[in-house]
Amino acid sequence: KAGVTQTPRYLIKTRGQQVTLSCSPISGHRSVSWYQQTPGQGLQFLFEYFSETQRNKGNFPGRFSGRQFSNSRSEMNVSTLELGDSALYLCASSFTGGDYGYTFGSGTRLTVV
Amino acid sequence: DQQVKQNSPSLSVQEGRISILNCDYTNSMFDYFLWYKKYPAEGPTFLISISSIKDKNEDGRFTVFLNKSAKHLSLHIVPSQPGDSAVYFCAAFNYGQNFVFGPGTRLSVLP
Repeated sequence: KAGVTQTPRYLIKTRGQQVTLSCSPISGHRSVSWYQQTPGQGLQFLFEYFSETQRNKGNFPGRFSGRQFSNSRSEMNVSTLELGDSALYLCASSFTGGDYGYTFGSGTRLTVV
Repeated sequence: DQQVKQNSPSLSVQEGRISILNCDYTNSMFDYFLWYKKYPAEGPTFLISISSIKDKNEDGRFTVFLNKSAKHLSLHIVPSQPGDSAVYFCAAFNYGQNFVFGPGTRLSVLP
């Protein structure tokens, strides 16, 4: 079965711009979570969507937002980009969320210049 | 304050020897722990997990030990192989919450 697909793989933006990242979960998975990975910080939880509703939210500013569509595909948006937003953004899907066995995508590497 | 800590940012071991990766946590409410392995430019892949009701779980070359009283877990890889070179993340959660990940430990297995 197809894995979790994240697009684009790489992105370069300038400060102040906004960006939208996409995540297509494994077929049948209804939970999609987003994570930010920066060197030395590990994976930090952004938010989780389940059945088009945000179920959990991490400790990130309101510039980071997301949504989930009826087919479970999810998008993450970052507005007014800052240099510190440069990171690898990973999404993970699972059937219900909150259990082990999340499947991660390969990530989108965002560079803000 | 980091709830999940991996105090060794990197570790090098010789091929064939044992690799021991450590993880400490502060939240006694965590009841499930996982290890993920991540290669560059790829997403993390699930490696092995352990429930808080156990103190050991084994899967092939990988064994995870949990010491609840010390709030400490470790991942043992025996024997280590060059293909094991990757970043290893420890993660913890309790039901209804999301994962909390440690910062990762970069393992280098030298041939």
